[in-house]
Amino acid sequence: EAGVTQFPSHSVIEKGQTVTLRCDPISGHDNLYWYRRVMGKEIKFLLHFVKESKQDESGMPNNRFLAERTGGTYSTLKVQPAELEDSGVYFCASSRIYLTGGDTQYFGPGTRLTVL
Amino acid sequence: EDQVTQSPEALRLQEGESSSLNCSYTVSGLRGLFWYRQDPGKGPEFLFTLYSAGEEKEKERLKATLTKKESFLHITAPKPEDSATYLCAVASGAGSYQLTFGKGTKLSVIP
Repeated sequence: EAGVTQFPSHSVIEKGQTVTLRCDPISGHDNLYWYRRVMGKEIKFLLHFVKESKQDESGMPNNRFLAERTGGTYSTLKVQPAELEDSGVYFCASSRIYLTGGDTQYFGPGTRLTVL
Repeated sequence: EDQVTQSPEALRLQEGESSSLNCSYTVSGLRGLFWYRQDPGKGPEFLFTLYSAGEEKEKERLKATLTKKESFLHITAPKPEDSATYLCAVASGAGSYQLTFGKGTKLSVIP
């Protein structure tokens, strides 16, 4: 079974530019999550999709971040315009079961974003 | 607000020297406590899920235990390939599926 994949693995952009990160979850996983770790801090939740619907976006830092999951398959996270503080590693995770909320989330390798 | 505190921040062990990593948590209704392993430049790799106090799970040289306030990851006779950052995370509360992570313990096992 293929794991969670993310693209690109690294992205270096200048302040004010736009970047789009992509995540492909494990096949059959309806739940998809985005997390971020900025340097020196712990991994923090950004948002949660159930199929194509946003279930919880309480962790999104501001309206410069836009996440989509068209058709309930892959997801994109767009940052527009990027700021210096957006630098960090963005992780995507997916899980299978919706009901209990304690189900195991499997993580992708992450996208390292550097904003200059 | 959920909180997860891991200790120590870093741990150096000689190969074969057993030890434990600690994860203390404060949550409103625990749905699950998760241990992950993370190697440099990679994503967190799932190890264990614990759901209730008293539960224990084992995998090779690793054993995870859970009480009402903390979890331990016991490493028995570690090998250099066990070197990694070990992350603890909790899922809690009704209707919330987000994980709250600790900062991790960086384990180095010296041959």
